[in-house]
Amino acid sequence: QVQLQQSGAELAKPGTSVKLSCKASGYTFTSYYIYWVKQRPGQGLEWIGYIYPGNGGTYYSEKFKGKATFTADTSSSTAYMLLGSLTPEDSAYYFCARQRYYFDYWGQGVMVTVSS
Amino acid sequence: DIQMTQSPASLSASLEEIVTITCQASQDIGNWLAWYQQKPGKSPQLLIYDATSLADGVPSRFSGSRSGTQYSLKISRLQVEDIGSYYCQQAHSNPPTFGGGTKLELK
Repeated sequence: QVQLQQSGAELAKPGTSVKLSCKASGYTFTSYYIYWVKQRPGQGLEWIGYIYPGNGGTYYSEKFKGKATFTADTSSSTAYMLLGSLTPEDSAYYFCARQRYYFDYWGQGVMVTVSS
Repeated sequence: DIQMTQSPASLSASLEEIVTITCQASQDIGNWLAWYQQKPGKSPQLLIYDATSLADGVPSRFSGSRSGTQYSLKISRLQVEDIGSYYCQQAHSNPPTFGGGTKLELK
């Protein structure tokens, strides 16, 4: 069955970076977009952007350009998101999701806490 | 970007009650509309796609409809397990924008 398994919770200091992972299984990794979505506690869903593992193509929301960097390792069917120059505003849940028009499978989410 | 205006932002309803949530698209998106349910502490789950099609395993008390650029999610008889937040999402154009969400609580 299709699964997206995300890495564990992160506690990071302001100004540092974290790299989140999303390991896909149960489908052809290179045939679907992987989106990353941010959700602050009690708030709505905010898309960050996507990577298409088939060709490595990426697209970023204007708001997250320079903040997020997507990569993918097709040999391990894992997508990554590097979040840099962290501030307390980056504290949130981050989800990866498989997309072909709609987001039919989601990772379990990972909490990133930015605190000194 | 296409804007999705979702209402209400919060809703309190009783068990067995009919619940309706709406989403207004800022332009024509055809039937390229999905609804997601997010239970507390969980990731969102696809409920409805193509405006009216039920995703696998979704109970038949959920239904979706469209009138022009307005879309509705209806829960015919609210159950305890339906409590959570609901989001619409347009898939007509990149980026795939979400509505602001509706938090559904039990009265």
